Amino acid sequence: GAGVSQSPRYKVAKRGQDVALRCDPISGHVSLFWYQQALGQGPEFLTYFQNEAQLDKSGLPSDRFFAERPEGSVSTLKIQRTQQEDSAVYLCASSELGGAGDIQETQYFGPGTRLLVL
Amino acid sequence: KQEVTQIPAALSVPEGENLVLNCSFTDSAIYNLQWFRQDPGKGLTSLLLIQSSQREQTSGRLNASLDKSSGRSTLYIAASQPGDSATYLCAVTTSGTYKYIFGTGTRLKVLA
Repeated sequence: GAGVSQSPRYKVAKRGQDVALRCDPISGHVSLFWYQQALGQGPEFLTYFQNEAQLDKSGLPSDRFFAERPEGSVSTLKIQRTQQEDSAVYLCASSELGGAGDIQETQYFGPGTRLLVL
Repeated sequence: KQEVTQIPAALSVPEGENLVLNCSFTDSAIYNLQWFRQDPGKGLTSLLLIQSSQREQTSGRLNASLDKSSGRSTLYIAASQPGDSATYLCAVTTSGTYKYIFGTGTRLKVLA
């Protein structure tokens, strides 16, 4: 079946430009996560949605980063006034159930969007 | 604050060798630990998930163990193959949360 898809796969932006990254989770998955992976590092948590509700945005590095999931399916991560330090791979993941607590579940990851800010 | 460390950072072995990848975490109050594989330009593929109450999980040539009290996990790969070449990441979640805290990964290269 279809997995998590992300678009674009690659994005080159000039410093100061706004970008929007899209994530299509697995159909019916309740939870959606965004992670940022710098070169040579492990992914770092950015934000978490349960359906359309953004329950945790503690990992967003600055107020230039904004994420939404208005209808509880597709999500968009927007970065305003991009800086060179924003260059990274942005990974989206989804899981079937509501995340936390006593539920053992796997997050399914998309291929990522590689963002390069010049 | 939970920190996850993976050793070694990179490993190159000849085909057929058995090998061990190490993962350590600073806060033993984890909910589960998961091993992932990441191929260049691709997302993460889940390999094994170990619940906090478990000691190990096996899938094919892979075996992962967990020692919560010492804050360690190992991923054992038997009879390595060139197709095993990838970056291996471990990640933990803490009770009551959902976010993965990842290590920096081990880049494995298996030579034919």
